[in-house]
Amino acid sequence: EPEVTQTPSHQVTQMGQEVILRCVPISNHLYFYWYRQILGQKVEFLVSFYNNEISEKSEIFDDQFSVERPDGSNFTLKIRSTKLEDSAMYFCASSRSAGEKSGDYTFGSGTRLTVV
Amino acid sequence: EDQVTQSPEALRLQEGESSSLNCSYTVSGLRGLFWYRQDPGKGPEFLFTLYSAGEEKEKERLKATLTKKESFLHITAPKPEDSATYLCAATHAGTASKLTFGTGTRLQVTL
Repeated sequence: EPEVTQTPSHQVTQMGQEVILRCVPISNHLYFYWYRQILGQKVEFLVSFYNNEISEKSEIFDDQFSVERPDGSNFTLKIRSTKLEDSAMYFCASSRSAGEKSGDYTFGSGTRLTVV
Repeated sequence: EDQVTQSPEALRLQEGESSSLNCSYTVSGLRGLFWYRQDPGKGPEFLFTLYSAGEEKEKERLKATLTKKESFLHITAPKPEDSATYLCAATHAGTASKLTFGTGTRLQVTL
């Protein structure tokens, strides 16, 4: 079964450092997403990406965050200057379509980011 | 503000003891109601999407239903391997790509 692949599974970084989280979405999917889950809290939407541009972002997704699809397969989330409160599990997801037919919205296994 | 609320927060069942999990939503123009299963330290695993009131979907011991205000995930004769957190999420008109999640129901099934 096709899956969304995320690397690394766990990353520890010092406060103020830049991190890049990587994702390989399902190959025939066109919509890509990042979510995060702080320990013990809800899964929260960060950003959606379609046709090489951001289609929607949340208030969490400020100037410290950026996304990129550098080639035909990878989708990345960059945090420029990490803060302690960025520690969370970050999930990448993809879907073939959005709206009514987004039933194949598939998540990866996540990257646990720990900022020390 | 769009909200998705799940109850109960935690549920402990004996093997074979059927029950239901509730997801109520206040979302303007619901487009899709999603159910996911999440194991500890893992990403949400897709179970079902429901699009309109009255719709039902089934998969093995799980059945999801949808009304205009809430969705239920019915678990029939659960087994220990059904132990997980079950997440409900919704998309709505205007932000069709964004899933708004509930806090989940932690289900434990014991022998």
